[in-house]
Amino acid sequence: NAGVMQNPRHLVRRRGQEARLRCSPMKGHSHVYWYRQLPEEGLKFMVYLQKENIIDESGMPKERFSAEFPKEGPSILRIQQVVRGDSAAYFCASSPPRLGASEQYFGPGTRLTVT
Amino acid sequence: SQQGEEDPQALSIQEGENATMNCSYKTSINNLQWYRQNSGRGLVHLILIRSNEREKHSGRLRVTLDTSKKSSSLLITASRAADTASYFCATDANNDMRFGAGTRLTVKP
Repeated sequence: NAGVMQNPRHLVRRRGQEARLRCSPMKGHSHVYWYRQLPEEGLKFMVYLQKENIIDESGMPKERFSAEFPKEGPSILRIQQVVRGDSAAYFCASSPPRLGASEQYFGPGTRLTVT
Repeated sequence: SQQGEEDPQALSIQEGENATMNCSYKTSINNLQWYRQNSGRGLVHLILIRSNEREKHSGRLRVTLDTSKKSSSLLITASRAADTASYFCATDANNDMRFGAGTRLTVKP
């Protein structure tokens, strides 16, 4: 049973370009969470999605950031017109339909560097 | 994949009591972090302790780190019903972050 997969693991973008980060949840999981981690800081919640539905996006910046979790395929976190301050590690986690706090599994993260 | 292991898996206490949760890990780390999760919500970062620190406080939270034993503890003093949640430790080693499976804390009023 493969774990949560994220790709790419490392992404370099120039200022103004778009960044697309993908997260494939564990098999059977229909809930996905995205987090951002700045260097030497803890994870900050961004968004919580179920298939085709955004449940909680209270942690998402209002502009340039969007997330989706389509019926088929991975969840995508999209950052438009990236700026240097977007450089961070982005983690996703998935959990099964029956929510349980101990059942959240994390991916290895995508490290975004904006030059 | 998970690295940290929390202990116990579940803890039930009365309001006003202290709650202690432990986390053990396997590899050398840069820092260790504790998170809280309420049911159906995302993780909330509580506290980060660096590998050269032994103890850290934040409000009613006290975290210790023993790198020789590769273990950390989270103490919540004077617990409240609102502290009911799951608590996770996460280790950060050379930009590789791993989470434990969590301790589910129930504080009864």
